[in-house]
Amino acid sequence: DSGVTQTPKHLITATGQRVTLRCSPRSGDLSVYWYQQSLDQGLQFLIQYYNGEERAKGNILERFSAQQFPDLHSELNLSSLELGDSALYFCASSVGTQETQYFGPGTRLLVL
Amino acid sequence: EDQVTQSPEALRLQEGESSSLNCSYTVSGLRGLFWYRQDPGKGPEFLFTLYSAGEEKEKERLKATLTKKESFLHITAPKPEDSATYLCAVRSNSGGSNYKLTFGKGTLLTVNP
Repeated sequence: DSGVTQTPKHLITATGQRVTLRCSPRSGDLSVYWYQQSLDQGLQFLIQYYNGEERAKGNILERFSAQQFPDLHSELNLSSLELGDSALYFCASSVGTQETQYFGPGTRLLVL
Repeated sequence: EDQVTQSPEALRLQEGESSSLNCSYTVSGLRGLFWYRQDPGKGPEFLFTLYSAGEEKEKERLKATLTKKESFLHITAPKPEDSATYLCAVRSNSGGSNYKLTFGKGTLLTVNP
């Protein structure tokens, strides 16, 4: 158990809908990262927050957004969902911005 | 842009049969090479971080090594419980962002009893 928690574990929704994924980092970690894992693309970095501020953006679609709250938990919002958004979404956390990232158990999203 | 290539894509071993997994990388200014283990449907589990060529780290039956162009994960006398996908990732100075990890697609290791 890495200490990173993610909810929900599974999510099934329809195209065009909007969902919110939640992540709580390990105690003491200030950085939160979001990754998407699909069968063909592997693990792809989406976005990073450090102590409430956005620090880096990767291959994140405009339909996706994220934020980190004062209690350091983070939410990833996915809107106007398409079939191709079906994937595993992982959150990771680290103490700062350079240290080892520890991953949560993931949220499996299925868009029908 | 950082690139990470892992080989082989899949590896099947008999219990006790030692082998190595390869991770080749192309980066601008390596800031760390990471090995993770991932079980089906689970999140990646951290194994090792290597920072400079020549560095080696060990944990139980696993040993990771690093050169200027690649890293190897050596598995000595593997057991069935070592079966998993092993992921390699790099962090670099590319693009002005040294925060993200760039992952390879992984090697699926199966160890038969």
